[in-house]
Amino acid sequence: GAVVSQHPSWVICKSGTSVKIECRSLDFQATTMFWYRQFPKQSLMLMATSNEGSKATYEQGVEKDKFLINHASLTLSTLTVTSAHPEDSSFYICSAHYYYEQYFGPGTRLTVT
Amino acid sequence: AQTVTQSQPEMSVQEAETVTLSCTYDTSESDYYLFWYKQPPSRQMILVIRQEAYKQQNATENRFSVNFQKAAKSFSLKISDSQLGDAAMYFCAYRRYYSRDDKIIFGKGTRLHILP
Repeated sequence: GAVVSQHPSWVICKSGTSVKIECRSLDFQATTMFWYRQFPKQSLMLMATSNEGSKATYEQGVEKDKFLINHASLTLSTLTVTSAHPEDSSFYICSAHYYYEQYFGPGTRLTVT
Repeated sequence: AQTVTQSQPEMSVQEAETVTLSCTYDTSESDYYLFWYKQPPSRQMILVIRQEAYKQQNATENRFSVNFQKAAKSFSLKISDSQLGDAAMYFCAYRRYYSRDDKIIFGKGTRLHILP
């Protein structure tokens, strides 16, 4: 149980376009989801905390208008990278809170050309 | 602010031997969770072990055990009988106990190599 999926697993987009990444809790409801960014050979950096039905809480230094987070239901949170640029290329990981644990999705590799 | 420090960027161990990964943390809270996560080449984060700060007994999961020293704010991971599948990045992490919505704070990680 407590499985989190992400879609897509890998996406390539052109500079200036927007891309949406989905995070789903498959067998549980998650009122809180988290979005992380991970650069190669580095640790996870929390970008924002997403609460169902309310605005996301962004970490300091994360551009809210660039990284749009929507947690419209108890099983789905989305991260939209708007007007993507090559520097946004990274590995994005979501996690969902369930019974005092966080369960991680498999991650999404974003490449902006 | 809470911090998690892993001072060993990389470590190597011979297959079947024992290795200990170090972690220190800083917090003013008295109740919290500590975790060790494994990130293999697939990059899927896997929970290895969890320790509640109020528990004096060290957590154990099969070949994985921790040495939790609350006063020293130290939380090391011991891997016994190392296997090739243990090769991965290991992250030490902290989360406050009270709020289920609270974020996890990760250390920078230790890359573990298993030598056949």
